[in-house]
Amino acid sequence: GESVGLHLPTLSVQEGDNSIINCAYSNSASDYFIWYKQESGKGPQFIIDIRSNMDKRQGQRVTVLLNKTVKHLSLQIAATQPGDSAVYFCAENYGGSQGNLIFGKGTKLSVKP
Amino acid sequence: SQTIHQWPATLVQPVGSPLSLECTVEGTSNPNLYWYRQAAGRGLQLLFYSVGIGQISSEVPQNLSASRPQDRQFILSSKKLLLSDSGFYLCAWSVQVRDYGYTFGSGTRLTVV
Repeated sequence: GESVGLHLPTLSVQEGDNSIINCAYSNSASDYFIWYKQESGKGPQFIIDIRSNMDKRQGQRVTVLLNKTVKHLSLQIAATQPGDSAVYFCAENYGGSQGNLIFGKGTKLSVKP
Repeated sequence: SQTIHQWPATLVQPVGSPLSLECTVEGTSNPNLYWYRQAAGRGLQLLFYSVGIGQISSEVPQNLSASRPQDRQFILSSKKLLLSDSGFYLCAWSVQVRDYGYTFGSGTRLTVV
């Protein structure tokens, strides 16, 4: 959307700390959400997804929280490691299986050793 | 298992020259296919998507075109490149978007000089 032309916000964290990356999604009808990780020079990779009938889902060192009331999605990374340095994108879907994904603007996570 | 191939990985082309980027998917049938562009340090911009052979939807008016000559082949083209066409081009596929969203290729870094 319109945000593709903007520079990415940056989050800098110390190795070992927890990271929280936030995303405000656009459509109240969205009912499926994904977080992607994009390392430098590579394509985005799926991290974790969540459906709107849930408000929390956990993976390995990652947790996604969904607040439908305020249309907010967050990704929590526990014990952040240097390998977590990347750009993180949220994506929403509201068209069912035939709908496309709408990507957020992304957040660049930098991990300081 | 499904795989997506995108080539070339990097490309340097003079202004006014033609462009052809190819993307192929293996291990699935009738996928939805997508072309995205990403400027340095920016978000993902959807350029084209296709739900079937010969079916192309354009999201952004531009100097580029797309074609889908075969079920699992998606081509991005230009007759005359502009400096503003420089960027990181990503191909992606999905069958059921609510099953892990899109799977992205490794991208092509295009520099127009």
